[in-house]
Amino acid sequence: AQSVTQLDSQVPVFEEAPVELRCNYSSSVSVYLFWYVQYPNQGLQLLLKYLSGSTLVKGINGFEAEFNKSQTSFHLRKPSVHISDTAEYFCAVRVTSGTYKYIFGTGTRLKVLA
Amino acid sequence: EAGVAQSPRYKIIEKRQSVAFWCNPISGHATLYWYQQILGQGPKLLIQFQNNGVVDDSQLPKDRFSAERLKGVDSTLKIQPAKLEDSAVYLCASSPYRPDTGELFFGEGSRLTVL
Repeated sequence: AQSVTQLDSQVPVFEEAPVELRCNYSSSVSVYLFWYVQYPNQGLQLLLKYLSGSTLVKGINGFEAEFNKSQTSFHLRKPSVHISDTAEYFCAVRVTSGTYKYIFGTGTRLKVLA
Repeated sequence: EAGVAQSPRYKIIEKRQSVAFWCNPISGHATLYWYQQILGQGPKLLIQFQNNGVVDDSQLPKDRFSAERLKGVDSTLKIQPAKLEDSAVYLCASSPYRPDTGELFFGEGSRLTVL
């Protein structure tokens, strides 16, 4: 069965410092990979996605992620965070098995400190 | 392009009462999803529609939850009777049938508090 693991439930980091949010997935089939961000009292907004091609994917707000097939990982990075990046971040995979199924991780709460 | 619309945004009810949530997906999106997001957890799929047919409802507690998508457009999710553990945000999402872009488009969610 497919699954998504986000090992860090909370990540505190100081403003202007770099950050990495980790995501590992398990799947025996090809997957599409996504990172979503959720601000308080809002829905999920797409940050970036990997469908195929270059393994380094750039998204909105200066975020990027690298797809590593051998390690089944899709870690999210930002070289310098801002206070406004404080939010919940979800990694997700889309698996095609007859229909499209999206599986989400449990989320990582990024807290940017002044 | 209008996004996914959901209502109500907030609802407070007592246990054993009923509640209904409404979702209008992005125009032309054939696939509609209802997710339950409990505080501190990731979204969990409750039900997935393809046009007006159910594709996956394996995690829907069918003794109390029901959902329909008449005419393949908007959808309603109902809970009756509600339990304390149903307190959560109910997220609606949509996508095209064979999405080249890949992602889901989410509404802002309906937050349910059961007292």
